[in-house]
Amino acid sequence: AQSVAQPEDQVNVAEGNPLTVKCTYSVSGNPYLFWYVQYPNRGLQFLLKYITGDNLVKGSYGFEAEFNKSQTSFHLKKPSALVSDSALYFCAVRDMDVAGNQFYFGTGTSLTVIP
Amino acid sequence: GAVVSQHPSRVICKSGTSVKIECRSLDFQATTMFWYRQFPKKSLMLMATSNEGSKATYEQGVEKDKFLINHASLTLSTLTVTSAHPEDSSFYICSARGLAGVQETQYFGPGTRLLVL
Repeated sequence: AQSVAQPEDQVNVAEGNPLTVKCTYSVSGNPYLFWYVQYPNRGLQFLLKYITGDNLVKGSYGFEAEFNKSQTSFHLKKPSALVSDSALYFCAVRDMDVAGNQFYFGTGTSLTVIP
Repeated sequence: GAVVSQHPSRVICKSGTSVKIECRSLDFQATTMFWYRQFPKKSLMLMATSNEGSKATYEQGVEKDKFLINHASLTLSTLTVTSAHPEDSSFYICSARGLAGVQETQYFGPGTRLLVL
């Protein structure tokens, strides 16, 4: 079965400090991994994805994520947080070896960047 | 780039009425549409998957007679919440998957906020 875990409901970080939002996944086959951001009453905005190749993926707005196969993790990072980064972040996985290979989402992590 | 739209963005209705939400893929043909429901401060729950011209496949626990999904064309899917009740109030998000050029792609719509009074 496919699943995604985001162990932290809430992450607080001071503006200018580095931020990390954690994600671990479980799939039986070949994972595609994604990060999305959601602002209040808005849909999902794509940040970045890992399909294959370099384990470090760079995405929108200065975000990056590192795919770690041995730890089955795909943590989202940014070197210097902005107040405007405050939002809800979702990690998602698609198991490409499963028919349908739909998205499975984590429970989300609310990021607050403190001025 | 490819875009997925939803209409309406927000709807308020009386209990017992039916509400239709449209999801359109604007720049590509969506062979598969997904419908998600999101509760406040919660994750997205997949409700159903529909392939163009076929009946939708519903996830366990989702009432197919309650949430009617139609995917009659490659650019349009509709979700109808029949006889809506306050507990159906939620944020509904669609996602469209298809080919943009030669590459498979999938995009999420902006969501529809449903409030049932």
